Amino acid sequence: DTAVSQTPKYLVTQMGNDKSIKCEQNLGHDTMYWYKQDSKKFLKIMFSYNNKELIINETVPNRFSPKSPDKAHLNLHINSLELGDSAVYFCASSQDWGNNSPLHFGNGTRLTVT
Amino acid sequence: QKEVEQDPGPLSVPEGAIVSLNCTYSNSAFQYFMWYRQYSRKGPELLMYTYSSGNKEDGRFTAQVDKSSKYISLFIRDSQPSDSATYLCAMRLEYGNKLVFGAGTILRVKS
Repeated sequence: DTAVSQTPKYLVTQMGNDKSIKCEQNLGHDTMYWYKQDSKKFLKIMFSYNNKELIINETVPNRFSPKSPDKAHLNLHINSLELGDSAVYFCASSQDWGNNSPLHFGNGTRLTVT
Repeated sequence: QKEVEQDPGPLSVPEGAIVSLNCTYSNSAFQYFMWYRQYSRKGPELLMYTYSSGNKEDGRFTAQVDKSSKYISLFIRDSQPSDSATYLCAMRLEYGNKLVFGAGTILRVKS
């Protein structure tokens, strides 16, 4: 069973389009995250939700909007895609926000904007 | 200057070698230190998780934290071709699970 699963695995789209990435975790965790990994493998946090409440919102363009319908799901919607949005987007989850709880990552969504 | 610095490599070693991977950081408030391994086209997986200064050993892996020098290390003994991957260090403050990652070091173990 995949603990943190993301769909789609690959996403190729044109500039200006709107797209969504979905994430689900079956670990019973309270906290979920979106990270972006650029072409140099640098992983940077974008958003974090704890019990469906947004607790981290890094300096990310307004075109990116996360949504957490329940604790097990965290989706990422991107409007008006730009070339610079091309990256691998990782979803992760952890038991909770404040204590000794490591992050578990999904296998990523590779987004290519042409 | 990035908060966490990590040499991107690649680091190429023969099978059986001892590998040393390192990160330096600038924020003295970091308290939790992690090493993740990432295979190609996969997500990072947690290898080691340590709190504050000291050593932690798990099989062939040893993590060391020197907070006075703001320096952390991961040692891999008897390296295997299956250890070939990108190794990412990560760290966080006492409270809150916002991880700050290094850029990752590419390791290649040749058989």
